[in-house]
Amino acid sequence: DTEVTQTPKHLVMGMTNKKSLKCEQHMGHRAMYWYKQKAKKPPELMFVYSYEKLSINESVPSRFSPECPNSSLLNLHLHALQPEDSALYLCASSYVGGGSNQPQHFGDGTRLSIL
Amino acid sequence: ELKVEQNPLFLSMQEGKNYTIYCNYSTTSDRLYWYRQDPGKSLESLFVLLSNGAVKQEGRLMASLDTKARLSTLHITAAVHDLSATYFCAGLQGGSEKLVFGKGTKLTVNP
Repeated sequence: DTEVTQTPKHLVMGMTNKKSLKCEQHMGHRAMYWYKQKAKKPPELMFVYSYEKLSINESVPSRFSPECPNSSLLNLHLHALQPEDSALYLCASSYVGGGSNQPQHFGDGTRLSIL
Repeated sequence: ELKVEQNPLFLSMQEGKNYTIYCNYSTTSDRLYWYRQDPGKSLESLFVLLSNGAVKQEGRLMASLDTKARLSTLHITAAVHDLSATYFCAGLQGGSEKLVFGKGTKLTVNP
């Protein structure tokens, strides 16, 4: 069972729609991440929140807007997306600083299709 | 900036054979990770390697880390079909929470 829960699992939206992806974890992790993964490619980091504050933005277009309402929740707000934004969006969480020998734990992802 | 290179990118092997996947990284990395991804699925953590000379084993997989050579290896022993998946190595960029992934190795184990 995945300890990082993402909803929805699938999302189809038009280029003018506004939608949100949600991610939740209850492992006590204080670092949370959004990744984008295109088919047959590795995950690419988009954003990192550390102690509920945005610590890394990998020059992501403003049509993607992250939010971390509390230590367990992470949202990604989507607006005016382009067809090339279709991908698998993965959420992950970890202890800050990697927590000695602990990995980042990934959710199952949201498969996003832009029409 | 940390760069991570894996090879081979594609690996087709027969059941029962042994093989090694290599992961080179460009600068000092705080730690090195190996993940497995099945088609259409998320990433499953396999190993976290922290220090020079670290070796970890789980079943038919063994991972090692040589920080002086900036090299990690994932060795597969007596492969079975269930090991077919894409394997990623990833390094943690020094002083940050940024995980940098290699391109992945797609492993196919044939009967």
